[in-house]
Amino acid sequence: DSGVTQTPKHLITATGQRVTLRCSPRSGDLSVYWYQQSLDQGLQFLIQYYNGEERAKGNILERFSAQQFPDLHSELNLSSLELGDSALYFCASSVVGGFTDTQYFGPGTRLTVL
Amino acid sequence: AQSVSQHNHHVILSEAASLELGCNYSYGGTVNLFWYVQYPGQHLQLLLKYFSGDPLVKGIKGFEAEFIKSKFSFNLRKPSVQWSDTAEYFCAVKANFGNEKLTFGTGTRLTIIP
Repeated sequence: DSGVTQTPKHLITATGQRVTLRCSPRSGDLSVYWYQQSLDQGLQFLIQYYNGEERAKGNILERFSAQQFPDLHSELNLSSLELGDSALYFCASSVVGGFTDTQYFGPGTRLTVL
Repeated sequence: AQSVSQHNHHVILSEAASLELGCNYSYGGTVNLFWYVQYPGQHLQLLLKYFSGDPLVKGIKGFEAEFIKSKFSFNLRKPSVQWSDTAEYFCAVKANFGNEKLTFGTGTRLTIIP
């Protein structure tokens, strides 16, 4: 157990819908990262937040957005869902997000879009 | 931008065999290197990491990896594998320039035959 929690574990929804994935970082960690794992793209970095502020963006679609709240939990919002959005979404956290930080991953949310 | 190559997509070994999984990265600057393991149905767990110093790093469960800067490689090794090592192994790199995202390889699926 890494200390990073994610809910829900599984999510099944239809195309065109909107879902919210939630992540709670390890106690004391200020930085949160979101990654997408799919069969065709592998593990891809989506976005990073540090202490409530967006810090870096990766291959995140415009239909996706995220935020980090004052209590440091983060939510990833996926809208206008398409079949290709079906994937495992991982959240990771680290202490401050610096170069020498280690990222610890949560159990993931498996999203299935039908 | 940095990239990571894992040339072995699927490796099948018998118990007690020795293991070496290849990882090569492309980035001209300073990097941090990681190996993560994903057991079936589980989240990514950190096996080991290299930040600086001794290029031979030891991780959990008897794994080790050697950073060879001249070859841009960070191969994972284990002298004697067990059935419980069956999992997917991901090499990842974090560059010292730009954001703190992890760039992952495509993963190597390891199957250990009892």
